[in-house]
Amino acid sequence: AQSVSQHNHHVILSEAASLELGCNYSYGGTVNLFWYVQYPGQHLQLLLKYFSGDPLVKGIKGFEAEFIKSKFSFNLRKPSVQWSDTAEYFCAVTTTSGTYKYIFGTGTRLKVLA
Amino acid sequence: DAMVIQNPRYQVTQFGKPVTLSCSQTLNHNVMYWYQQKSSQAPKLLFHYYDKDFNNEADTPDNFQSRRPNTSFCFLDIRSPGLGDAAMYLCATSRDLAGGSEQYFGPGTRLTVT
Repeated sequence: AQSVSQHNHHVILSEAASLELGCNYSYGGTVNLFWYVQYPGQHLQLLLKYFSGDPLVKGIKGFEAEFIKSKFSFNLRKPSVQWSDTAEYFCAVTTTSGTYKYIFGTGTRLKVLA
Repeated sequence: DAMVIQNPRYQVTQFGKPVTLSCSQTLNHNVMYWYQQKSSQAPKLLFHYYDKDFNNEADTPDNFQSRRPNTSFCFLDIRSPGLGDAAMYLCATSRDLAGGSEQYFGPGTRLTVT
């Protein structure tokens, strides 16, 4: 069965630090990849997504993610975090054949200290 | 501007007392989903509707039912809530079931079972 792993459950950074959140998936076929963010008290919203093409994807608020097929990874990055980036981040995968379902990772809680 | 609305945001029910959670959307999307999310866990898909076609996940307990009377509304009924059903319940929509379809989430309803 497909699965998504987010190994960092809690991350604490100071403002201006660089961020990288790991996401690995298990599926041998073609995938679509997503990062969602949930700010405190708000709903899940799409940060960025990868379907095909350039493996480096840029999203909103200065976030980017790189799809490395050989490593089954889709890590999220931001060069300089802000206090307002404090949130929970979820990686999700769908496959392009068969299931449409999102398979979510367990999430990473990021706290940025001002 | 709210696109996926869930009511109530917080619901307290007694053990064994039926409860209904509500979701509405202004996006006119074909697909509506219900997820269960427990603390520190990934959102877990319970079922979805594609238009009026209902699709239950294989491991969704019989205790959970859903209704979609029209395009805009979808309800989650928990017939006899147990303590283990305490969770955040997320409603989401998407335009279709293609693997790349972005899902739009509501803010969730936090269910407490006493």
